[in-house]
Formats: sequence, structure tokens, C-alpha cells
Amino acid sequence: GQNIDQPTEMTATEGAIVQINCTYQTSGFNGLFWYQQHAGEAPTFLSYNVLDGLEEKGRFSSFLSRSKGYSYLLLKELQMKDSASYLCAVREQRRPKLIFGTGTRLQVFP
Amino acid sequence: DTEVTQTPKHLVMGMTNKKSLKCEQHMGHRAMYWYKQKAKKPPELMFVYSYEKLSINESVPSRFSPECPNSSLLNLHLHALQPEDSALYLCASSQDLSAGIGNTIYFGEGSWLTVV
Repeated sequence: GQNIDQPTEMTATEGAIVQINCTYQTSGFNGLFWYQQHAGEAPTFLSYNVLDGLEEKGRFSSFLSRSKGYSYLLLKELQMKDSASYLCAVREQRRPKLIFGTGTRLQVFP
Repeated sequence: DTEVTQTPKHLVMGMTNKKSLKCEQHMGHRAMYWYKQKAKKPPELMFVYSYEKLSINESVPSRFSPECPNSSLLNLHLHALQPEDSALYLCASSQDLSAGIGNTIYFGEGSWLTVV
């Protein structure tokens, strides 16, 4: 079967660091995406991992372990504008399809 | 420029109407997608086009009809929709259908559809 799990909600304080986890079980793997989606807006691309390890991009980093079916998105120096939903999505191997997790709604408090 | 443009931003239509959603990208991408997203749910794939040919139809009802007139444009024709079809419709594009670092899928801002 295909399954992508993320926590439903998380809260954090401005200036802090938060880690959003994603575990997946899919029929084949061809890359994992993280998107940010503010309420009422379209998903915005944050990061892409296809090899094991850490990808760093400014305040955001994403990690992948293919053997464990696990990824996380790390957000540093949190800002109020980081309050949004964060979607983990896996691209299937045999079909060009993104399978999305249900998303993690992050609320950042002052 | 990593932009996918969708029009209209908002559409209200009756169940007997015929309307279309439009999507455009000028990144030279050869793969384009339609996704549907209901409130507080993740996007769900509807259609995939590769080099202007339909590659995937995720068993979408025939009242949704996609069209890819050229490599930059993707339309979604709507006819005889139901109220439960009300959702955010997202267009996306990528370089092609291959995997690999750099072949990112970019989303447009979406078209909010309300069926009354």
C-alpha cells in the first residue's frame, strides 16, 4: 500500500527551531518533496531529496533516509510568517505521480 | 522565473454551465498536471500530460475534460459539475516526467471553483 504520515499539528515559538517528520511507505521511490502552503494559497516548493542526507537551503533543511522511509523538514529561526501547512510528497517510481501526506499545520507564536 | 499562471482565480458556476480553467507556463516544461484540493486535505492528482499527450488519468469523471493545446498551455473543461466538485484546482508543471535532482514540480496559485 501507499502511506505517508505526518503529524497533524505542531506549535512553536518565534525564533525557535522545529522539526517536522514524515514517514512513508510507497510502491517505489523517486524523490521526496516538501511544500509550504498558506491557508487559501497554492503549495510553494521548499526542498527536494532523492539521495540520503541533508539538503540545506537558508533557514530550511530537509533530510532523507531511504532505508528507513523517513524524512524531516527543519525550520530554524522561526518567524510568524512560517505559520502554514507543510506537505510531504513522494514521487512514485513507476508513475509520475506525487503522493501527498495530509500535511502538518504549524503555528508559530510570539 | 518559476511561474505557473492560472485563470480565473475564482469561478462560480451552475450545474448546467460549461466553463474552463486555464493554466500557462513559460519555463519550457514538458510535463503539466491538474490537481484537486479540498479544504484541509492534500492535493489529489487528476491528470498528467507529457509532451502534450495525456499520460495519466486518475479515473476522473468525464465531466472534467483536460486539453493541452501546446507545450505552454493546459486547460480543464468543466461541464455538468456537482456541488461536491467545489474545490481548489491546482495546475503544476515540471521539466518532464523523469526523476532527478532539479526536476521540481511547481504549482500555480490555483483556481477556486464553486459549483452551485
